[in-house]
Amino acid sequence: DGGITQSPKYLFRKEGQNVTLSCEQNLNHDAMYWYRQDPGQGLRLIYYSQIVNDFQKGDIAEGYSVSREKKESFPLTVTSAQKNPTAFYLCASSIGGRFSGYTFGSGTRLTVV
Amino acid sequence: DQQVKQNSPSLSVQEGRISILNCDYTNSMFDYFLWYKKYPAEGPTFLISISSIKDKNEDGRFTVFLNKSAKHLSLHIVPSQPGDSAVYFCAASETTSGTYKYIFGTGTRLKVLA
Repeated sequence: DGGITQSPKYLFRKEGQNVTLSCEQNLNHDAMYWYRQDPGQGLRLIYYSQIVNDFQKGDIAEGYSVSREKKESFPLTVTSAQKNPTAFYLCASSIGGRFSGYTFGSGTRLTVV
Repeated sequence: DQQVKQNSPSLSVQEGRISILNCDYTNSMFDYFLWYKKYPAEGPTFLISISSIKDKNEDGRFTVFLNKSAKHLSLHIVPSQPGDSAVYFCAASETTSGTYKYIFGTGTRLKVLA
C-alpha cells in the first residue's frame, strides 16, 4: 500500500540538541511539505519542496532545516536555534499541480525535556 | 495574519442531526478549498474539496458550500454519527501561484453525542 511514513512517532530532545524527523513516501509524489501543529494554531507551514534538490521556506522556517536528495524522502531537522520546538509535526505529500490535495503522514510528537 | 479562520473552536451535535462547520478566508485569490478530518495523534485525512468555479460539492453525507462574495465556506455533515467526532480543518490554496501550498485554519473540534 502506498503512503507516507513518519518516524519516530514520539521523540524526546534535550535542550540544545539537534534532532531529525524522518518522512518517507512511496506515492511517487513530487511535492512534500512539513507542518507544525500547536494547540489553537492549526497547521503552520515550515518548509516545502516541489522537486528533488529544491525546497522553499514556509511561514515558520526559523530554527529548522530540510533536505530533498531523493524524491521519496524529506527529512526535517529541528535545530537548537528553534526556541519552542515542542509540537506535533506533520509531513505531507502531493502529486503537485493545481487542484491536488495532500496526503499526510501520522505525525511525530516532539517534546523537549 | 490569519488568512483562513475557523471561529468556532468546538461544536457539539446530537447523533442524527446536521453538523455545520464554518470557515472564512481573507485572500480573494484562493481558488481551491479542502476539508480534512483529524483524530488525536494521527495525520489529517482528506474529506472533500471544492473549486471556486462551484458553489457546492457533495460526497455522501458530506457537502461543502462556497460563498465567494462572502469569502465563506461551510461543511455540512448529515446525518452526524459518533465516529464523526474529530477536529476538522479547512484549507485554502491560491493554485495560480504555482506553489500549490495550502493555508490551514485553526480547526473546529466536533463532538457528536450518542
